[in-house]
Amino acid sequence: GAGVSQSPSNKVTEKGKDVELRCDPISGHTALYWYRQRLGQGLEFLIYFQGNSAPDKSGLPSDRFSAERTGESVSTLTIQRTQQEDSAVYLCASSPTGYRNQPQHFGDGTRLSIL
Amino acid sequence: AQTVTQSQPEMSVQEAETVTLSCTYDTSESDYYLFWYKQPPSRQMILVIRQEAYKQQNATENRFSVNFQKAAKSFSLKISDSQLGDAAMYFCAYGRGGSEKLVFGKGTKLTVNP
Repeated sequence: GAGVSQSPSNKVTEKGKDVELRCDPISGHTALYWYRQRLGQGLEFLIYFQGNSAPDKSGLPSDRFSAERTGESVSTLTIQRTQQEDSAVYLCASSPTGYRNQPQHFGDGTRLSIL
Repeated sequence: AQTVTQSQPEMSVQEAETVTLSCTYDTSESDYYLFWYKQPPSRQMILVIRQEAYKQQNATENRFSVNFQKAAKSFSLKISDSQLGDAAMYFCAYGRGGSEKLVFGKGTKLTVNP
């Protein structure tokens, strides 16, 4: 497809379980971003990948959160031992290079609900 | 740290009328970018308009235009000839030149009345 693809669209899980969220960026986009959007709030930056450089993890809220990216393709965001405050929509975005704040193209997000 | 403030949680406008959404930001940087994103119920964030801080001319995209007041750190979005499809959450965002992450405001929910 032409856009950023995220899966699953919705995820419901029990507190304490681990979850993996997936993001397929637009082909050729070297920059990839994860954001979290809590109900009624704006987006919070989580992590940024640019090519083979070390990721910017400065937005990850705790060590339960981690993310990986294989080359310039798929990324997975993992949340271990989920807590109720992790309930949110997790949005992924990609941009051609990440340089000079080129516009970020967003996926539809994964709505995560922790019971 | 940079912050973005949208002081209007909700706004409404009649179809075909004009509405202005407010955004202010706080930064000590001189090189930065500002964006307005639209988020319909489908959740996808759609770029509406982009402004480089070094440009004095206000950006325009068809019915959408901004009023960028750099000294006042204000970046409002004007939607002319509002359409039903404009109904959505609108987010103002700030990006520092040379940095990649965006800082978002809390959003303004726009309702368009027929």
